[in-house]
Amino acid sequence: KNEVEQSPQNLTAQEGEFITINCSYSVGISALHWLQQHPGGGIVSLFMLSSGKKKHGRLIATINIQEKHSSLHITASHPRDSAVYICAVRSNTGNQFYFGTGTSLTVIP
Amino acid sequence: DAGVIQSPRHEVTEMGQEVTLRCKPISGHDYLFWYRQTMMRGLELLIYFNNNVPIDDSGMPEDRFSAKMPNASFSTLKIQPSEPRDSAVYFCASSRRGVFTGELFFGEGSRLTVL
Repeated sequence: KNEVEQSPQNLTAQEGEFITINCSYSVGISALHWLQQHPGGGIVSLFMLSSGKKKHGRLIATINIQEKHSSLHITASHPRDSAVYICAVRSNTGNQFYFGTGTSLTVIP
Repeated sequence: DAGVIQSPRHEVTEMGQEVTLRCKPISGHDYLFWYRQTMMRGLELLIYFNNNVPIDDSGMPEDRFSAKMPNASFSTLKIQPSEPRDSAVYFCASSRRGVFTGELFFGEGSRLTVL
């Protein structure tokens, strides 16, 4: 059983499209992270959320604590957004991090 | 700041050899994490330190793995003896304040291949 489920696993979009990646989790959390991993391996933290919504440029992350669900939105997608997006949560009852398996996004020019 | 620095970037070794991976966290960050990433299991937390003290090592797969943080600017992850199933990318990350409030900054990773 995975504590963190992401959907879709793979996503192909045309440049300019609005993109949504979803994350559901089954444990109580203190924070949720969205990470980005480009081909070549480097991982960048995009957002850390414990409630509400955050926005960085064309990226928006929302979280609904009651529904145990988060979404990552990309507006006006661009080929450079092509990467794997990983959802991660930290349990509030222990010291464990749980990671989703990632969503592989390809944006076609 | 140079970010989280890991070495080596790539390591190829033979089964049974000792492997040491190194990490320099961002200055001022008081949390340091070691992760392992494989195709099969994705990203897994191995161990993390707070103020150089190991807090949770429940993710360390077995006694062949050990990690140390002798000071605030350096940590090592050691595998002895190494096995082919240890082949993975090992990431180090650091954070300020703590896991409840601090954003994670990752190193570039160390790609380990055990033959």
